[in-house]
Amino acid sequence: AQRVTQPEKLLSVFKGAPVELKCNYSYSGSPELFWYVQYSRQRLQLLLRHISRESIKGFTADLNKGETSFHLKKPFAQEEDSAMYYCALLTNAGKSTFGDGTTLTVKP
Amino acid sequence: EAGVAQSPRYKIIEKRQSVAFWCNPISGHATLYWYQQILGQGPKLLIQFQNNGVVDDSQLPKDRFSAERLKGVDSTLKIQPAKLEDSAVYLCASSLASGGALETQYFGPGTRLLVL
Repeated sequence: AQRVTQPEKLLSVFKGAPVELKCNYSYSGSPELFWYVQYSRQRLQLLLRHISRESIKGFTADLNKGETSFHLKKPFAQEEDSAMYYCALLTNAGKSTFGDGTTLTVKP
Repeated sequence: EAGVAQSPRYKIIEKRQSVAFWCNPISGHATLYWYQQILGQGPKLLIQFQNNGVVDDSQLPKDRFSAERLKGVDSTLKIQPAKLEDSAVYLCASSLASGGALETQYFGPGTRLLVL
């Protein structure tokens, strides 16, 4: 069975500092990986997906199949980046599995 | 466009009672998902519909949970009887077609259930 692990429950950085949210996965097939974000009092929403190789709000994520990781990075964190971040995996059969999330706090 | 709607937003019941949640997806979205999110955990997929057919219900506790999407539009998730461990936020999401990697899942605000 597939599994997504986000080893950090909480992550705190200062404004302007780089930030990296870790995500590791296990899946026997070829996965599609996503990052979702939930800002305070807002709905869960898609931030970015691996297949599009996009940068959203300055965030990027690279799929490393050798290390089975999909870490989310931003070179200069902003206070508005404070939120809960979830890594998710989509199997070949179209089933989604989410990690348990990391709460990011960006301090002024 | 209007987002995914869910009701009620909050529900408090006693164990062994029954409860139902309603979801109206974005208009035209074929795929509908129900997730259970226990405090401190990520969303766990309970059931996935494409139109009015079930695509995946492998993690749905079928002895007490049921869900339907009879006309391929809105959906109802029911718990009967509820247990303490069912306390969670129940999220509904929808996507345009088959739920593939290039599609976006749009989430509703969730229903927060507390079982006493």
